[in-house]
Amino acid sequence: AQKVTQAQTEISVVEKEDVTLDCVYETRDTTYYLFWYKQPPSGELVFLIRRNSFDEQNEISGRYSWNFQKSTSSFNFTITASQVVDSAVYFCALKTGFQKLVFGTGTRLLVSP
Amino acid sequence: EPEVTQTPSHQVTQMGQEVILRCVPISNHLYFYWYRQILGQKVEFLVSFYNNEISEKSEIFDDQFSVERPDGSNFTLKIRSTKLEDSAMYFCASSDEGQLSYEQYFGPGTRLTVT
Repeated sequence: AQKVTQAQTEISVVEKEDVTLDCVYETRDTTYYLFWYKQPPSGELVFLIRRNSFDEQNEISGRYSWNFQKSTSSFNFTITASQVVDSAVYFCALKTGFQKLVFGTGTRLLVSP
Repeated sequence: EPEVTQTPSHQVTQMGQEVILRCVPISNHLYFYWYRQILGQKVEFLVSFYNNEISEKSEIFDDQFSVERPDGSNFTLKIRSTKLEDSAMYFCASSDEGQLSYEQYFGPGTRLTVT
């Protein structure tokens, strides 16, 4: 069975602070895909990144970076110099093959000015 | 850029009534999904649909739920007799599994309120 754990329920930071959102996953499949989605207050799900299980290279996109470590089954997400607009709920998700997305419980990020 | 659309954006219904939530997936996509999110909780898988049949469904997707692709563009979720606990945001998603990306594209959601 697949499982995604986001232990941090809510994180509060002040603008310009760096923040890391943790994600730990479980799967027995050797090929899988990991995702991060952002859900702003308006409610839609915004795709941020996809990572394949066979590609452990970390990725940076502007202020966002992702650290994928198969040894610890983690796929953590860091926002550098956070901004108020980053306030949202962030979901980590796991997918194997043609199967469903399994979401974590989400981390609510509050960035105050 | 192609996108998944959903209608209505918000639906209010009385307990026991039937509702149909509509989705238009991205046109060349082959796999379709419904997820739901009860307020403040995580996104949960309901059902996946491929080649005009259900390929997988969750425990939530009981006999009160059904899905259909009535024509070449729409993908619908029907709840036959709504319950209070069906109140949630329902997301439709589609993907083109022919690509290596395996990414699912989500619609903006339909907020269902059962009173």
